Amino acid sequence: AQKVTQAQTEISVVEKEDVTLDCVYETRDTTYYLFWYKQPPSGELVFLIRRNSFDEQNEISGRYSWNFQKSTSSFNFTITASQVVDSAVYFCALLLYNQGGKLIFGQGTELSVKP
Amino acid sequence: EAGVVQSPRYKIIEKKQPVAFWCNPISGHNTLYWYRQNLGQGPELLIRYENEEAVDDSQLPKDRFSAERLKGVDSTLKIQPAELGDSAVYLCASSPGGYRDTEAFFGQGTRLTVV
Repeated sequence: AQKVTQAQTEISVVEKEDVTLDCVYETRDTTYYLFWYKQPPSGELVFLIRRNSFDEQNEISGRYSWNFQKSTSSFNFTITASQVVDSAVYFCALLLYNQGGKLIFGQGTELSVKP
Repeated sequence: EAGVVQSPRYKIIEKKQPVAFWCNPISGHNTLYWYRQNLGQGPELLIRYENEEAVDDSQLPKDRFSAERLKGVDSTLKIQPAELGDSAVYLCASSPGGYRDTEAFFGQGTRLTVV
């Protein structure tokens, strides 16, 4: 069975703190994609990153960074020097190569950044 | 470029009434998805279209839900009759096609409340 687990339901930090959002996935497929989406209060899901299963290179984009480790089936997301505008619900998702475009989402982590 | 447009943004109906949601994908996007997001959960796929064809509707409750995508552009999702458990946010997403190479872009969703 395929599954994505985001164990942290809610995280609250003070502005400028670093914060890591955890994501653990389950699949027996060898070819898959992993995603992170941000859902602000306005409701739309904003794409942040896509990673395929053969690319374990970590990625940094500004204050955002992602750590992909196949050995632990994890794809964690770190925000450095958090800002109030980072407050949102963040979703990790899995897409299997041979099952069409169906995204399997985790339950989401609600991040609250306080000034 | 305009994003995925959904309407209405909010809808409140009484149980047993019909309801319809409309989605206009990004121009040129061949693939269209409908997801349902229950409160505090990640979105779950209801149906996926490739142009006019529904290629994955395995998660669509066909006794009361129907969808169409005439001419391979706009799409409508209908519920008849609505039940209390249908209260959720209904998200539409689109991608250029070739889901293995691109991410999906989401609309702001329609928040349905059934009373």
